[in-house]
Amino acid sequence: NAGVTQTPKFRVLKTGQSMTLLCAQDMNHEYMYWYRQDPGMGLRLIHYSVGEGTTAKGEVPDGYNVSRLKKQNFLLGLESAAPSQTSVYFCASSYSGGGWTEAFFGQGTRLTVV
Amino acid sequence: AQSVTQLGSHVSVSEGALVLLRCNYSSSVPPYLFWYVQYPNQGLQLLLKYTSAATLVKGINGFEAEFKKSETSFHLTKPSAHMSDAAEYFCAVNGGRRALTFGSGTRLQVQP
Repeated sequence: NAGVTQTPKFRVLKTGQSMTLLCAQDMNHEYMYWYRQDPGMGLRLIHYSVGEGTTAKGEVPDGYNVSRLKKQNFLLGLESAAPSQTSVYFCASSYSGGGWTEAFFGQGTRLTVV
Repeated sequence: AQSVTQLGSHVSVSEGALVLLRCNYSSSVPPYLFWYVQYPNQGLQLLLKYTSAATLVKGINGFEAEFKKSETSFHLTKPSAHMSDAAEYFCAVNGGRRALTFGSGTRLQVQP
């Protein structure tokens, strides 16, 4: 049982380049999330999705786009990478948006923008 | 609005000593509260969660947390620290906004 799988695990980009981070979950969860983790700031929500074909902005959405074409996949795109987007990115999923449901996390993608 | 504040970005204890990691929350609705642990270069793993069924919540690896509404707190404790407990711990709240809001994290160091 893979749970939540993120690809790639590491990436180095040059300023201005674009890339897509892929998240896949095999738990049939409705909700999926993208967070970024920066030292001393915990995890901050970038975008989230409450179901296939729907997305919504989180706390820090600028510079990112997302798509949820299939229920099991949630893609995070950086159109023109900036050094401020150097971070560790985590994807998560949950059964529902009900407050009692915990989120399950992937192993993270470490992105460096130079 | 919902938020959590974790007091102390770094906590150091001796092996066998009590572990106490502090978390205070703010929520405009009755909150659901979570503690997650992150080991180096790994994702987050759920330790325990409060869902209003009981104020004292027991989790994995001997950790527990007590919900205190009067103090708006949800502190994490473990009676006796083990070297393997060294990690970063995150408190999180879900006040009905469909996504967890995390604290800034507390790095626990366990000294031999």
